[in-house]
Amino acid sequence: EAQVTQNPRYLITVTGKKLTVTCSQNMNHEYMSWYRQDPGLGLRQIYYSMNVEVTDKGDVPEGYKVSRKEKRNFPLILESPSPNQTSLYFCASSLGAVPPYEQYFGPGTRLTVT
Amino acid sequence: DQQVKQNSPSLSVQEGRISILNCDYTNSMFDYFLWYKKYPAEGPTFLISISSIKDKNEDGRFTVFLNKSAKHLSLHIVPSQPGDSAVYFCAASLRAGSYQLTFGKGTKLSVIP
Repeated sequence: EAQVTQNPRYLITVTGKKLTVTCSQNMNHEYMSWYRQDPGLGLRQIYYSMNVEVTDKGDVPEGYKVSRKEKRNFPLILESPSPNQTSLYFCASSLGAVPPYEQYFGPGTRLTVT
Repeated sequence: DQQVKQNSPSLSVQEGRISILNCDYTNSMFDYFLWYKKYPAEGPTFLISISSIKDKNEDGRFTVFLNKSAKHLSLHIVPSQPGDSAVYFCAASLRAGSYQLTFGKGTKLSVIP
């Protein structure tokens, strides 16, 4: 089954404790992306990757890091989480910058930083 | 500055009637538009898209209309069903191979049986 998986699905952590949210896709997609969803703000892009070892900032990259060492994986790293990073996070993948630009989303990771 | 706007946070429609969800955009460089549907506790799923060279695209009960001069698009669902109750996001992509999607804030649709 074609899918995007994220782990963990739920995470409660404390300020400053480094964490990683994993994302993996089994569709051989070149493009992967991370979004956060906050009430009243919709989906905002954090980082994206066009292929292995190629990443770029989205609209809200501050406080996040990413890496793309393998085509299927795109982990999101919070080196020193803060309460304003409490959010619902989605990973997505697509074949690339080809219409219809359809992205496949993972189920989400709900992160709470206290 | 929000480039993709969904000004109605919520919409309630009777089952069997038409649902119309609206989206406005400010960036004239957008050339592809998509609608996503999101159920609680799930990721968004792609619904329908339209290129800027078209003014209408239809897929079953779902039709998207694009008015480039007004920088406005709308999603029509006919007839509406209770299973359509979800949050709908409008998204836009820049031309020339952009890898980024810009999303609106979403509209929560409730279809009342």
